[in-house]
Amino acid sequence: DAMVIQNPRYQVTQFGKPVTLSCSQTLNHNVMYWYQQKSSQAPKLLFHYYDKDFNNEADTPDNFQSRRPNTSFCFLDIRSPGLGDAAMYLCATSRAVGGIYEQYFGPGTRLTVT
Amino acid sequence: DAKTTQPNSMESNEEEPVHLPCNHSTISGTDYIHWYRQLPSQGPEYVIHGLTSNVNNRMASLAIAEDRKSSTLILHRATLRDAAVYYCILRGSSKAAGNKLTFGGGTRVLVKP
Repeated sequence: DAMVIQNPRYQVTQFGKPVTLSCSQTLNHNVMYWYQQKSSQAPKLLFHYYDKDFNNEADTPDNFQSRRPNTSFCFLDIRSPGLGDAAMYLCATSRAVGGIYEQYFGPGTRLTVT
Repeated sequence: DAKTTQPNSMESNEEEPVHLPCNHSTISGTDYIHWYRQLPSQGPEYVIHGLTSNVNNRMASLAIAEDRKSSTLILHRATLRDAAVYYCILRGSSKAAGNKLTFGGGTRVLVKP
């Protein structure tokens, strides 16, 4: 089945130690998104790629960066994780942007910072 | 982004219908109404969306008020697997406005056997 895959499902990192989360998709969608979801809160968009065009949300900390080397893969890099960055990180895709297109989410990677 | 208002939680009995209301009084003429749900320990899942007319799919029905200031997601026969947080989200139709989902608080649905 075509899908959005996130690896690993659980990631533990140390305070200040860079960490990379990965996402891949078999849907051949043009748009890939990264959301952060903290405990008991709703998901919050960090940034998205439309093809190779990177779009950062205004309130996304500089500590968070992303790479999209090709259509299928997208990475979330956290340069110096703090305790407040512990959260579920969700990757999503959509065929294009605009209100008529639904987003498809992966299962998420739960990040723990020790 | 136009905001939505949903009840914090709702309870339903298994195999009974569930009606989930959403108010969006500041909706613009080009905003689509999207519903997603998030099951425990999973990523959100698309449920349904509409613009002006009522919509049906295999998961649910979406009833949109004539003035579009409110909508209702209808689960026709709730099962235990429908227990989730349901989010009502407005999405613009332009490239600039429609590129993200702005999640609100959502409604936590509890289904009792």
